[in-house]
Amino acid sequence: EVQLLESGGGLVQPGGSLRLSCTASSFTFNLYAMGWVRQAPGKGLERVSTIGHDGDTTDYADSVKGRFIISRDNSRNILYLHMKSLRDEDTAVYYCAKDSGGFNPYFDYWGQGVLVTVSS
Amino acid sequence: DIQMTQSPSTLSASVGGRVSISCRASQSINIWLAWYQQKPGKAPELLIYDASKLKGGVPSRFSGTGSGTEFTLTISRLQPDDVATYYCQQYKTYSITFGQGTRLEIK
Repeated sequence: EVQLLESGGGLVQPGGSLRLSCTASSFTFNLYAMGWVRQAPGKGLERVSTIGHDGDTTDYADSVKGRFIISRDNSRNILYLHMKSLRDEDTAVYYCAKDSGGFNPYFDYWGQGVLVTVSS
Repeated sequence: DIQMTQSPSTLSASVGGRVSISCRASQSINIWLAWYQQKPGKAPELLIYDASKLKGGVPSRFSGTGSGTEFTLTISRLQPDDVATYYCQQYKTYSITFGQGTRLEIK
């Protein structure tokens, strides 16, 4: 069964930085695009960023563009989200998700999520 | 970005009943629509993709229809375990977007 395990969350002050990791297992990681989706407390789902299977293609929501960087290490099956200049509104549970593959992919597996709290 | 609008925001039904959730896209997305179920305190889980295809292991009580801009998720023979928030998501474009969610309560 596909497993995605996020880590690296916690409490950070506004303006601070944090790096999230997502360790993948039970599928061929380097064949699939991956993404991060977040959910603010009591709110809906918001796609944050996606990265192609080889890391060459990345995309970001306007709300995080220029502040967040998505990357991956295919030799270690790890997806990253580097977050800087964090704001109160970045407080959320961050989920990593596996792309289904194909020409029009959706997210077929999700991690359990990691909480990021931005507060002074 | 393509906007996704779900209705209703909340609905309530009895065990054994049937409910339908609507999802409308701001422009045509062909069949590139997924439905997710998120139980309280849990991560979302994929139910349906390509508008009407059930993910393996998902009960046949769940069904999806639609194409273009109008889509529907129907849940039949409601069970207490169906209490959750349901989200639609378009993936016609690389910048995927979600509906705002529909919370299902069981009477």
